[in-house]
Amino acid sequence: SQQGEEDPQALSIQEGENATMNCSYKTSINNLQWYRQNSGRGLVHLILIRSNEREKHSGRLRVTLDTSKKSSSLLITASRAADTASYFCATDAVQGAQKLVFGQGTRLTINP
Amino acid sequence: DGGITQSPKYLFRKEGQNVTLSCEQNLNHDAMYWYRQDPGQGLRLIYYSQIVNDFQKGDIAEGYSVSREKKESFPLTVTSAQKNPTAFYLCATLSDRGSGKLFFGSGTQLSVL
Repeated sequence: SQQGEEDPQALSIQEGENATMNCSYKTSINNLQWYRQNSGRGLVHLILIRSNEREKHSGRLRVTLDTSKKSSSLLITASRAADTASYFCATDAVQGAQKLVFGQGTRLTINP
Repeated sequence: DGGITQSPKYLFRKEGQNVTLSCEQNLNHDAMYWYRQDPGQGLRLIYYSQIVNDFQKGDIAEGYSVSREKKESFPLTVTSAQKNPTAFYLCATLSDRGSGKLFFGSGTQLSVL
């Protein structure tokens, strides 16, 4: 089952602009994580936000979480060509075993 | 360096053949996972193991089998019963229960001849 729905499916912006991706989920969660995947590679963990947190920052990344709307957003500021990748949200359900359920991802392209 | 090694990077399967994908880790993590990724899609959980000699089915276990005889190793066998095996397979470990953060290998691309 795919818990997360990501929006948009694809995003293309100019270098230096900000990129915003959204994730919605269906069930109560312990935490929500964002991962990046370069083409043909494994996923790399970016940031985790717990269900009792509303906002978190890490470098050029800003994540928000609204548990009442069951949604999260990932903002990448001052984008660079190296940010070109697919971005996935993943949720850890409250009553589930320790397993993550991934969204379908947003494919981000940064144009030089 | 600690990490996860998946091999081979590319694998081809003939009709009716079973193939095994290797996943080895030296991170000393207890929990290991196998995910399947189809083109342009997210990840779907095949099997996971929280401890040696124990594993559970994920959302799409049919046509797959696993074993967990050692902490370091979690091989995935794609059996002939899996009729649409072409996909990118990712192995991951759980860093710790508190963080819930997954480390991933670099993946195996399986294709059908």
